[in-house]
Amino acid sequence: SQQGEEDPQALSIQEGENATMNCSYKTSINNLQWYRQNSGRGLVHLILIRSNEREKHSGRLRVTLDTSKKSSSLLITASRAADTASYFCATGPRGGGSNYKLTFGKGTLLTVNP
Amino acid sequence: NAGVMQNPRHLVRRRGQEARLRCSPMKGHSHVYWYRQLPEEGLKFMVYLQKENIIDESGMPKERFSAEFPKEGPSILRIQQVVRGDSAAYFCASSPGWDRAYEQYFGPGTRLTVT
Repeated sequence: SQQGEEDPQALSIQEGENATMNCSYKTSINNLQWYRQNSGRGLVHLILIRSNEREKHSGRLRVTLDTSKKSSSLLITASRAADTASYFCATGPRGGGSNYKLTFGKGTLLTVNP
Repeated sequence: NAGVMQNPRHLVRRRGQEARLRCSPMKGHSHVYWYRQLPEEGLKFMVYLQKENIIDESGMPKERFSAEFPKEGPSILRIQQVVRGDSAAYFCASSPGWDRAYEQYFGPGTRLTVT
């Protein structure tokens, strides 16, 4: 079973609309991060939320974390065509001294149509 | 402040050849991680290195793959006798230190194609 699965696999919206992506995970975590990857490019770090936080904002991004449901959501408000990319959640395990070992899901491909 | 640098960006190798991928961490970072991304998959952890030390190589295939981070120069991921299944994007990340090892900044990746 895979830690950090994003849902939906693909999402297509119009510019100006909001986009919501979800991430579920299976084991206890220390933190959860969201990354963006433009086609054929590297990963850009978007936001980190710690296990004792419930919500975090950064510009047009809003991340929530529900540790009881082992899930997180990423909301992008007022989307732009430039937001078109794949979005990944990555979890860092709790305890055991291996919080560096990030586990990524397969990502959500977001397409924002002009 | 330059980010994580990787080269080459694209590498084509024939089956049986060697592939050497290089990574220079962000300035001030001494912790380096390598991940592999297969087509339409998420990134998978391979190895964690500090200068002259391999901290965790639990994600590395047992054969043909090796990694180093020498005292001077970039970190190198080496794949010997490449096979078609090694075709993937290889990403390097760096972090500032032990207490922020989860805070990883990624390079642009090297896309390896084995023909």
